Amino acid sequence: QKEVEQNSGPLSVPEGAIASLNCTYSDRGSQSFFWYRQYSGKSPELIMSIYSNGDKEDGRFTAQLNKASQYVSLLIRDSQPSDSATYLCAVNGVNTGKLIFGQGTTLQVKP
Amino acid sequence: ETGVTQTPRHLVMGMTNKKSLKCEQHLGHNAMYWYKQSAKKPLELMFVYNFKEQTENNSVPSRFSPECPNSSHLFLHLHTLQPEDSALYLCASSQDGQRDNEQFFGPGTRLTVL
Repeated sequence: QKEVEQNSGPLSVPEGAIASLNCTYSDRGSQSFFWYRQYSGKSPELIMSIYSNGDKEDGRFTAQLNKASQYVSLLIRDSQPSDSATYLCAVNGVNTGKLIFGQGTTLQVKP
Repeated sequence: ETGVTQTPRHLVMGMTNKKSLKCEQHLGHNAMYWYKQSAKKPLELMFVYNFKEQTENNSVPSRFSPECPNSSHLFLHLHTLQPEDSALYLCASSQDGQRDNEQFFGPGTRLTVL
């Protein structure tokens, strides 16, 4: 079992729709969870971090965390073509700075 | 992106060459990281430095040699690389090496080994 799993996609949504990106992780003791956006040919850019169960909203982005189910998701409302990118889920192990990344989900937002 | 800078942005080298990658962070952070990103693979952590001390070597071959002279600078010295080492090499930094810290990435060095 991979430590951090994401569906590689591509996930295709029409412009203006809600895009839902999902991630599961294996280390039940993980405490910190991050979403990065990576445009083709560019480096990852941190867009959300979440540490507690529930929802965290930032503009059009909402991160959702359920530690009991070992599941973290990212919702993008009113998706725009500029949101087309690969979204990386990253999880910190217990008491370590080591980030474990998923392979990423490619999102395509079609005009 | 300007918080963490990397040079060069692109590098082509032969298997017998020696080259170095440089990373500098302007965020006042104390932890720095080297990652490797190959096509179709997740980001792979290579090395971690926390307050200039190496705290993680993720079973990286000795042809990759890191150096961290201070908390703002990180180098990756390369020698006798293999074609399969061609990848995007990313530097990142965080406040320190503890569990809750967000990591910020530089633009990366695209390395091609011929």
